[in-house]
Amino acid sequence: EDKVVQSPLSLVVHEGDTVTLNCSYEVTNFRSLLWYKQEKKAPTFLFMLTSSGIEKKSGRLSSILDKKELFSILNITATQTGDSAIYLCAVMVGSQGNLIFGKGTKLSVKP
Amino acid sequence: ETGVTQTPRHLVMGMTNKKSLKCEQHLGHNAMYWYKQSAKKPLELMFVYNFKEQTENNSVPSRFSPECPNSSHLFLHLHTLQPEDSALYLCASSVRTQRTDTQYFGPGTRLTVL
Repeated sequence: EDKVVQSPLSLVVHEGDTVTLNCSYEVTNFRSLLWYKQEKKAPTFLFMLTSSGIEKKSGRLSSILDKKELFSILNITATQTGDSAIYLCAVMVGSQGNLIFGKGTKLSVKP
Repeated sequence: ETGVTQTPRHLVMGMTNKKSLKCEQHLGHNAMYWYKQSAKKPLELMFVYNFKEQTENNSVPSRFSPECPNSSHLFLHLHTLQPEDSALYLCASSVRTQRTDTQYFGPGTRLTVL
């Protein structure tokens, strides 16, 4: 059975801290790995990773994929209170491109 | 604003009611998806439509009935639901169901079944 595991499940930090969120997976027919940020309701897209070792960056956020060890990390530097959200990792599998989601990491950034 | 809208945003219904959730995407996409998000569980894929054809039914009970009249609109018809069906129902769309196509999500409908 396809599985995506995120850790930690929740994290509390202070503004300015750097955090690393983890996502490991065991799936058949891997196509890509995606990170989403969910505040209140709609998950919003952050990154799609398909190749190992290539870092994707967007401002203070960055992510990298290791297809040999089957994991990805999402880094957030100089965290701000607006970074507080649930961060979802999803793996796209199969010919239909279905997404298998992890449970998410709830990040709380305190002022 | 992601270009995917859902109505209603909140819905409370009894177990004998019939209601429908609506999703509309303004992105010119051809694939649309229904997901269920329950407390403390991962997002679960329910249905996939690609060019109006259903390509995936992820073992969803028949009390959930999807309808996709065109590539821009997706409905989820609900009847005789159970309290455990209470959840956030998210719609998403993508260009197609291809490896390079990111799914964009709507704001969801928070459903409570009494």
